[in-house]
Amino acid sequence: ETGVTQTPRHLVMGMTNKKSLKCEQHLGHNAMYWYKQSAKKPLELMFVYSLEERVENNSVPSRFSPECPNSSHLFLHLHTLQPEDSALYLCASSPQSNEWGTEAFFGQGTRLTVV
Amino acid sequence: GQNIDQPTEMTATEGAIVQINCTYQTSGFNGLFWYQQHAGEAPTFLSYNVLDGLEEKGRFSSFLSRSKGYSYLLLKELQMKDSASYLCAAGEGGSYIPTFGRGTSLIVHP
Repeated sequence: ETGVTQTPRHLVMGMTNKKSLKCEQHLGHNAMYWYKQSAKKPLELMFVYSLEERVENNSVPSRFSPECPNSSHLFLHLHTLQPEDSALYLCASSPQSNEWGTEAFFGQGTRLTVV
Repeated sequence: GQNIDQPTEMTATEGAIVQINCTYQTSGFNGLFWYQQHAGEAPTFLSYNVLDGLEEKGRFSSFLSRSKGYSYLLLKELQMKDSASYLCAAGEGGSYIPTFGRGTSLIVHP
């Protein structure tokens, strides 16, 4: 248990569906992140939020839409996804996003399958 | 941009020592992380090196050579539970958030 909780753990969705991934942390951290982890590929940073403001968007397609209503919660809204979007989506948090060597605390991820 | 390279897979015997290497090429460098990820679980932080040399934490040690763009993770007295993926991540100048390599899948067998 790392203090970062993601739900659901598994999700199967059709290409025309709309779904949301949820991430919650009660570690008192100011920064939250979404990463995508595909088989045989490096962990890819998608979005960074610091104090509820988006500070980084790594050229992610608009079919992925993040939302950070407060510093403890982060959502990833999904719509009209493609099969190649199937992956493990990891949420992480850290005390801040603007300091060298900051350790990230990861959730267990949502295994997403797009059919 | 960054180029981070680490072996895809390694195998080792219980009780042995294994060294997982990571090389990186960055425009600017501000430190190197190692994370451990068991199958189906969250990555967990192992170490962060910013200065040259070896840092030891129990059975795990991490080494960094900035001039060579090289790091390794050394695992001693291997246990079956050490079977996991080991992720190397390098911080690039201008960004506080590291870029990850593909990970090395370590299989420990009896």
